[in-house]
Amino acid sequence: EAGVTQFPSHSVIEKGQTVTLRCDPISGHDNLYWYRRVMGKEIKFLLHFVKESKQDESGMPNNRFLAERTGGTYSTLKVQPAELEDSGVYFCASSTTGQSPLHFGNGTRLTVT
Amino acid sequence: AQSVAQPEDQVNVAEGNPLTVKCTYSVSGNPYLFWYVQYPNRGLQFLLKYITGDNLVKGSYGFEAEFNKSQTSFHLKKPSALVSDSALYFCAAPSGGYNKLIFGAGTRLAVHP
Repeated sequence: EAGVTQFPSHSVIEKGQTVTLRCDPISGHDNLYWYRRVMGKEIKFLLHFVKESKQDESGMPNNRFLAERTGGTYSTLKVQPAELEDSGVYFCASSTTGQSPLHFGNGTRLTVT
Repeated sequence: AQSVAQPEDQVNVAEGNPLTVKCTYSVSGNPYLFWYVQYPNRGLQFLLKYITGDNLVKGSYGFEAEFNKSQTSFHLKKPSALVSDSALYFCAAPSGGYNKLIFGAGTRLAVHP
């Protein structure tokens, strides 16, 4: 089966610009998660979708971040406007159920200059 | 607050020797614990998990982990290291949801020929 795919693999933008990250989960996986690792620190949970619904968005850092999963398939994470501290690696993961192992994508490395 | 700690930033081991990557936890209730591995330029891959039962858990690629309640540890082990085991290893535990994970800072394992 195809794995979790993320696009782009790397994005370099200037402070104040907008960036949209995309995640395509494994087909049939209703659960989709976003995590990020900022500046070599711990990987942190951002939010969890079940199909198209946000199950838990408690990890979203502020209202500059907007995640969507229209139709319950792929998801996007928009950062607008980007700040320097948003630089890091953004991981998407999916699972069949809420209690099955996560399958991670390769991540998007975001650099805000 | 729930936490997971990996006290070593890097572990160096010679090929063929046993390896241990350390993890300690502080979680409420009965802990669920996970190990994930990240190979260069790849996403995290699930290695193994402890839910309940036998304290020695076997996982992928010949890895195993020992749950020790008295020492609040969940160290990852392998009897004979391979150069291909060189990667970044993360210990994790759920916090408010099975796949809402808190991660340790990661330990870089370097296996030398």
